[in-house]
Amino acid sequence: EVQLVESGGGLVQPGGSLRLSCAASGFSFSNSWMTWVRQAPGKGLEWVANINQDGSAEYYVDFVKGRFTIFRDNGKNSLFLQMNSLRAEDTAVYYCARHVDWTYDIWGQGTMVIVSS
Amino acid sequence: QSALTQPASVSGSPGQAITISCTGTSSDVGGYNHVSWYQQYPDKAPKLMIYEVSNRPSGVSNRFSGSKSGNTASLTISGLQAEDEADYYCSSYRSSTISYVFGTGTKVTVL
Repeated sequence: EVQLVESGGGLVQPGGSLRLSCAASGFSFSNSWMTWVRQAPGKGLEWVANINQDGSAEYYVDFVKGRFTIFRDNGKNSLFLQMNSLRAEDTAVYYCARHVDWTYDIWGQGTMVIVSS
Repeated sequence: QSALTQPASVSGSPGQAITISCTGTSSDVGGYNHVSWYQQYPDKAPKLMIYEVSNRPSGVSNRFSGSKSGNTASLTISGLQAEDEADYYCSSYRSSTISYVFGTGTKVTVL
């Protein structure tokens, strides 16, 4: 079964850090670009970052540059998002997704991140 | 980073056809055929419905179709059904920032 399963979300204080994980199965993870997309409560979808197949190229939305890092472990079929210097406005459900042909065809169920004191 | 513009809501009666617009610029929607559409039910992950403007993934009903004219893309749902009631988002590649952008989202209501 083709599947993406996120984990690692939770409650963190402003200025804190959190690492999200995304476990992939059922498809060739090492041959796939991957993406993180987030959705604040009651708001729309927001692209966060992309990474290419071997991890040599990363792209970020402006407001997370320098704070978030996307990386992957192809040996473990896993995608990660290291989030530092978290702000209240980073509160959202974070989805990982497979990026193929300029679109996102497989999505995980999401993991909730709450930044609050 | 500005989102693509969608109407906040669209409604229709069962069996009718509705169209959702997605307006961008020549740096995104108008400049590339990299426009996708996603359906999202409350508290669920998005689902890909249309990619590359007008292509349907396997398993998506042919009641869903996409098109583009200039800087505006459109998603049409024909033969509207109760199960189509959901939020819909467009997305596009944006060359000016080497990034991806989503639309503001449209809530579809089946009357």
